Amino acid sequence: QQQVKQSPQSLIVQKGGISIINCAYENTAFDYFPWYQQFPGKGPALLIAIRPDVSEKKEGRFTISFNKSAKQFSLHIMDSQPGDSATYFCAASGNAGNMLTFGGGTRLMVKP
Amino acid sequence: GAVVSQHPSRVICKSGTSVKIECRSLDFQATTMFWYRQFPKQSLMLMATSNEGSKATYEQGVEKDKFLINHASLTLSTLTVTSAHPEDSSFYICSALDRTQDGYTFGSGTRLTVV
Repeated sequence: QQQVKQSPQSLIVQKGGISIINCAYENTAFDYFPWYQQFPGKGPALLIAIRPDVSEKKEGRFTISFNKSAKQFSLHIMDSQPGDSATYFCAASGNAGNMLTFGGGTRLMVKP
Repeated sequence: GAVVSQHPSRVICKSGTSVKIECRSLDFQATTMFWYRQFPKQSLMLMATSNEGSKATYEQGVEKDKFLINHASLTLSTLTVTSAHPEDSSFYICSALDRTQDGYTFGSGTRLTVV
């Protein structure tokens, strides 16, 4: 059973627009929620991560919003650029050293 | 930041042969490493978790005799695909837990093609 559900599977956004990707989890023991960016033929790279003690975290154009009661978190990419076109994965883990559980991924295309 | 070096980036091998993939943590000690497999346009699937000095823990459905994992030191973990078959062709990615940074760092991946 998939423990982290990610949507949408694909997303097309105009340059300068806001890209929003959502994830929902089931395991209440999760306490670490990272987002990864992956380009074709490369490994995932950490974008930004959040823990349940805060509801929002912002780093540059990337913002995570976290809703603990709803067991949902989302990634917002402000002022989306063509260079942001990639596949984005949300993930979750609980307790230091535990494996990451990945969402299904979102293929983002930012049109110039 | 933390860096995990994964080699080779691409490998083509013949059916029946074995292939070794290496992952090294360059500036931190990785007591735990994870090995993933990724099919085209799909998410990462965890294959196994390895802790330095102990046997790897394999996920359900992953053949431990086919995918041999060695984590003999705090900076090196290897995945050996034994008796490779075309269906083993995939993108393999390692990840290391950096406890000092409280995060996971991924290697750049290895594209394995078995012909």
